[in-house]
Amino acid sequence: QQQVKQSPQSLIVQKGGISIINCAYENTAFDYFPWYQQFPGKGPALLIAIRPDVSEKKEGRFTISFNKSAKQFSLHIMDSQPGDSATYFCAASSIGGGADGLTFGKGTHLIIQP
Amino acid sequence: EAGVTQSPTHLIKTRGQQATLRCSPISGHTSVYWYQQALGLGLQFLLWYDEGEERNRGNFPPRFSGRQFPNYSSELNVNALELEDSALYLCASSRSPGRTDTQYFGPGTRLTVL
Repeated sequence: QQQVKQSPQSLIVQKGGISIINCAYENTAFDYFPWYQQFPGKGPALLIAIRPDVSEKKEGRFTISFNKSAKQFSLHIMDSQPGDSATYFCAASSIGGGADGLTFGKGTHLIIQP
Repeated sequence: EAGVTQSPTHLIKTRGQQATLRCSPISGHTSVYWYQQALGLGLQFLLWYDEGEERNRGNFPPRFSGRQFPNYSSELNVNALELEDSALYLCASSRSPGRTDTQYFGPGTRLTVL
């Protein structure tokens, strides 16, 4: 049973454009929502994360928008650059319930065209 | 500070054999999580070890097992390999047992079963 649904599966954006990746979760016990960035041959690296007490968090060009009532959250990459080309995973968990690890979406393969 | 390390980088086995994968956590981290990243399926939680004990396991058969050593390094064993076990196996370590907001991933071991 997939508890975190991620879309789109792949995304092509022109340099300078905005990349948007969406995720939806089912488990209302989740209270930690990170995004990971993975380059080929590397492990996932934490990019940005949000708790449900805020609706938006911004770090540089990366912004998470969070809608608790809809159980959805999204990643926005502003001024997308070719170096942002990677696979992005959303995840969710109960922050203190680490016994089950993180529940991941299936990933979005992002390509930024120069 | 050295990151999470995993060995080997690549491992090729035939069906029915056993595979052993190793993980060294970040210094000071006592928790180790194992994830399987199969093509198109995202990351799926496999096992959690803390202070030398298996604390939880995901929805995987018993032929997936492991252990954690006194120095907190960990080993994942996969017995009776099947073709569908081919995947990238990722290890993550955490300094805070049971918390998912402090997980750092290694580069992974690519297991190929022929």
